[in-house]
Amino acid sequence: GENVEQHPSTLSVQEGDSAVIKCTYSDSASNYFPWYKQELGKGPQLIIDIRSNVGEKKDQRIAVTLNKTAKHFSLHITETQPEDSAVYFCAASITGGSYIPTFGRGTSLIVHP
Amino acid sequence: DSGVTQTPKHLITATGQRVTLRCSPRSGDLSVYWYQQSLDQGLQFLIQYYNGEERAKGNILERFSAQQFPDLHSELNLSSLELGDSALYFCASSVAPSGILGGETQYFGPGTRLLVL
Repeated sequence: GENVEQHPSTLSVQEGDSAVIKCTYSDSASNYFPWYKQELGKGPQLIIDIRSNVGEKKDQRIAVTLNKTAKHFSLHITETQPEDSAVYFCAASITGGSYIPTFGRGTSLIVHP
Repeated sequence: DSGVTQTPKHLITATGQRVTLRCSPRSGDLSVYWYQQSLDQGLQFLIQYYNGEERAKGNILERFSAQQFPDLHSELNLSSLELGDSALYFCASSVAPSGILGGETQYFGPGTRLLVL
């Protein structure tokens, strides 16, 4: 089955810096890659996703890049703010069939004011 | 707010007991997924229902069961509870299991925190 590795497990940055979280996946058939943000005491919330026919996607300060050949994808957050502090999860799945995503272990992002 | 609701928010019970967690999906979503989140295991997929029928099973224990009702809400039943079952339980919903662009995007509820003493 699919295996998703996520790094780093903890990331500490100063407000205004950029943050990058990286994930690798094992199944070359995976073609849908969502990112979730989980704030303390809340459920994971989708913040951005990318499909395998696209190499990069941006939404304001957030961007995701995908390298299908290397089987890795990354989340980039620019101009970080204290409210970006949360746990971020990447996931990989195959559209078609049941679509059950495999999640990474999460990255705890801490943005210091 | 994702539109997915879960009750109760917190649950404290004793070993050996049985509890039921409830989930209402977003309006229009046909598929419901249950996940368990513990500190050392991350987000673990338990089971999926689509329009009332079981669609996929993950690492769900035999002591656990679920169902999706005609109004599309779902319940997760946990029985013979053990200390190790203490965790956050999330429900997520999506429009469809697959085949529709964007239909597979999952929206998570706020979770139920279960503590087994």
